[in-house]
Amino acid sequence: SQTIHQWPATLVQPVGSPLSLECTVEGTSNPNLYWYRQAAGRGLQLLFYSVGIGQISSEVPQNLSASRPQDRQFILSSKKLLLSDSGFYLCAWSRRGLFNEQFFGPGTRLTVL
Amino acid sequence: SQQGEEDPQALSIQEGENATMNCSYKTSINNLQWYRQNSGRGLVHLILIRSNEREKHSGRLRVTLDTSKKSSSLLITASRAADTASYFCATARNSGNTPLVFGKGTRLSVIA
Repeated sequence: SQTIHQWPATLVQPVGSPLSLECTVEGTSNPNLYWYRQAAGRGLQLLFYSVGIGQISSEVPQNLSASRPQDRQFILSSKKLLLSDSGFYLCAWSRRGLFNEQFFGPGTRLTVL
Repeated sequence: SQQGEEDPQALSIQEGENATMNCSYKTSINNLQWYRQNSGRGLVHLILIRSNEREKHSGRLRVTLDTSKKSSSLLITASRAADTASYFCATARNSGNTPLVFGKGTRLSVIA
């Protein structure tokens, strides 16, 4: 069966510090991978998605970047965090085909102070 | 542009009652999906309904799709306190070359 991991679960970072969130998927090959951000009590904002190694599509131009160094690894990064980067970050995967159902990780709660 | 928009934003019912949530969208779709999110957790896929389907059931869940009105509804029958969560619809566009677009969700509270 497939499993998706995200870490860390919670993170408190000062403004201006770097960020690296990691997501890995087990039990499947060639997944589509996604990064979302969710503000408190709000809907999902798609940040990045990837249909293959090294292929990243950015949905929202901002302070963040994503990389996919391996087939089942997706990393969300920032060189300098802003207060507005606070939120709940979710990683998800789907089978090939952007219209397929997505499977979400447990999320990372990021607080930027 | 925003696809799925859920209605209502929040819903509070008594245990045992039925809960109905609606989703409207703007462009033609390949399928529409419903997800559930418990507080502080990731989303869980509930059900997918294709554009050529009108109704689908899964346990206590019933989903309808009206492509002429560009709307869908999620019905949870005989609700339980454990159904308390946020529910999101997500639409997959017909082109198939863009990711799912999620709505802002309906927050359901089931009071025991």
